[in-house]
Amino acid sequence: DAGVIQSPRHEVTEMGQEVTLRCKPISGHDYLFWYRQTMMRGLELLIYFNNNVPIDDSGMPEDRFSAKMPNASFSTLKIQPSEPRDSAVYFCASRLRTALFNYGYTFGSGTRLTVV
Amino acid sequence: TQLLEQSPQFLSIQEGENLTVYCNSSSVFSSLQWYRQEPGEGPVLLVTVVTGGEVKKLKRLTFQFGDARKDSSLHITAAQTGDTGLYLCAGASGSARQLTFGSGTQLTVLP
Repeated sequence: DAGVIQSPRHEVTEMGQEVTLRCKPISGHDYLFWYRQTMMRGLELLIYFNNNVPIDDSGMPEDRFSAKMPNASFSTLKIQPSEPRDSAVYFCASRLRTALFNYGYTFGSGTRLTVV
Repeated sequence: TQLLEQSPQFLSIQEGENLTVYCNSSSVFSSLQWYRQEPGEGPVLLVTVVTGGEVKKLKRLTFQFGDARKDSSLHITAAQTGDTGLYLCAGASGSARQLTFGSGTQLTVLP
């Protein structure tokens, strides 16, 4: 398996533009998590899905953020409109429900977003 | 909100030295995990501890879970340059055992 795949790896956009981050989880994993990492706040959980259904989006900072998981192999995180304070590294992670203790989360390599 | 505080935030040592990193919380977690993250990559799982007082060893790394399951420590013996990275503890809670991450310890091992 190629692991969790995120795209793009880097994104530079102007303030006010729409940004879409993409994630392909590991096949067979039933949980998908979106995290944001900054120097100031560390890794923050934004939202997670179980079997493609959003379970908890209390970490989504504002209505400008939205996430979808139309099928088991694809998820998107969208920011519209983007602001400079959204600049961060966004990680997607997936997990098999029964495997937390043995395997934990598998993270993608992240998308580094810069909003200018 | 459950918070995990790690200390120290930054640590720079010489190769061959020993070190300990701490992870503390006021909350109880069902399990606690340690991850290492290298630049440009996502965190990678090192170990999971579940039982209060549990000690796990992974070669030169020793992990301990506090008796009350609120704190943990990571001890590295005879550090090597390859140990350089960001060390993150993460507590699992909730029905999905979603992870809350600590603030991280940036370790630099100098040759």
